[in-house]
Amino acid sequence: RKEVEQDPGPFNVPEGATVAFNCTYSNSASQSFFWYRQDCRKEPKLLMSVYSSGNEDGRFTAQLNRASQYISLLIRDSKLSDSATYLCVPRMDSSYKLIFGSGTRLLVRP
Amino acid sequence: GAGVSQSPSNKVTEKGKDVELRCDPISGHTALYWYRQSLGQGLEFLIYFQGNSAPDKSGLPSDRFSAERTGGSVSTLTIQRTQQEDSAVYLCASFELLAGGRTGELFFGEGSRLTVL
Repeated sequence: RKEVEQDPGPFNVPEGATVAFNCTYSNSASQSFFWYRQDCRKEPKLLMSVYSSGNEDGRFTAQLNRASQYISLLIRDSKLSDSATYLCVPRMDSSYKLIFGSGTRLLVRP
Repeated sequence: GAGVSQSPSNKVTEKGKDVELRCDPISGHTALYWYRQSLGQGLEFLIYFQGNSAPDKSGLPSDRFSAERTGGSVSTLTIQRTQQEDSAVYLCASFELLAGGRTGELFFGEGSRLTVL
């Protein structure tokens, strides 16, 4: 089993839609999680970090399910500018090693 | 600029040549990472440094790849006898632990695009 798994997509949604995708992780010792956003041919940028059960920032909500070992990202009221690849990365407090999921591609159409 | 700086931004080389890629992390960041990203693919972990030590080199694809970090700052990724399959964007990042040590942020450079002919 891969350390981090994500549905590659693409998720193709209209503007204004709500979309969610999951990231599953194999290491139960993971304690914090990051969602990164990567635009085409650009470097990844931090979208959100999650330490407890979840986090919310405007239209973006991350939910952590430790029992099932996945973290989800929900985007409400999708904008064209949300089109990107979303990368998940879990982290253990005792380690600096950071393995990224392969990413989920989101396309928001007019 | 206070961000992560990588050089060269683009490198075209011939198969069999050696290349060196450089990363200048954000000052004070303890951890430094190298990732590789082939076209349309995800980030492949190569190696990370804590200070000048590399606790985990398991991601290096072969013994043609090596990396070092000196002075807890600049890092160099060296690829010897390059092959066409080495063509990719090589991304460097440095990590800052935030207050409390429970979370942080990975800051990426813009990458070095390597093309092996």
